[in-house]
Amino acid sequence: NAGVTQTPKFRVLKTGQSMTLLCAQDMNHEYMYWYRQDPGMGLRLIHYSVGEGTTAKGEVPDGYNVSRLKKQNFLLGLESAAPSQTSVYFCASSSLLAGEQYFGPGTRLTVT
Amino acid sequence: RKEVEQDPGPFNVPEGATVAFNCTYSNSASQSFFWYRQDCRKEPKLLMSVYSSGNEDGRFTAQLNRASQYISLLIRDSKLSDSATYLCVVKHSSASKIIFGSGTRLSIRP
Repeated sequence: NAGVTQTPKFRVLKTGQSMTLLCAQDMNHEYMYWYRQDPGMGLRLIHYSVGEGTTAKGEVPDGYNVSRLKKQNFLLGLESAAPSQTSVYFCASSSLLAGEQYFGPGTRLTVT
Repeated sequence: RKEVEQDPGPFNVPEGATVAFNCTYSNSASQSFFWYRQDCRKEPKLLMSVYSSGNEDGRFTAQLNRASQYISLLIRDSKLSDSATYLCVVKHSSASKIIFGSGTRLSIRP
């Protein structure tokens, strides 16, 4: 039982490049989330999904897209990276009933 | 005003001390409350849920005061390994309404 995994762990992009972050969970959770965390700030919700095939915008969705084609996977895409997207990205999942979230180890992204 | 507010600290206390953090929330519709722990450069991990009647887990005690809209975390007999950032989390009924505080940094010195 790996819990929540994220790939890659680190990435450096140039401005304008694109990339996809992958999140996978093996807990059969219905809900999945993508957050970013910046120094001095709390976790901010980018997008979330309440089930396979559904996604919704969170607090800071601009510049990101997501897809949830399979229940266990939640992908976060950056179509044209900007330096403002330099951050640590965390994926999380939770079950329908319980409120607590389980987090992946994070992806450290630097955009130059 | 932020919906969830925490004292950022840092709290620097000696090993064996008792330390308490508060977290205030502004939305009375908040339904569930949690404390998470985050170590440097790691992901947040659930420390404990906070129940209306208060709850204890070993050296950790969490309290909820709905009337004053705050939750608290008390750590007794602090250990060096308790050094971390503690995040207060408030959840509404909607899946998208999970608000994280910015965290309180705790440093335990020998």
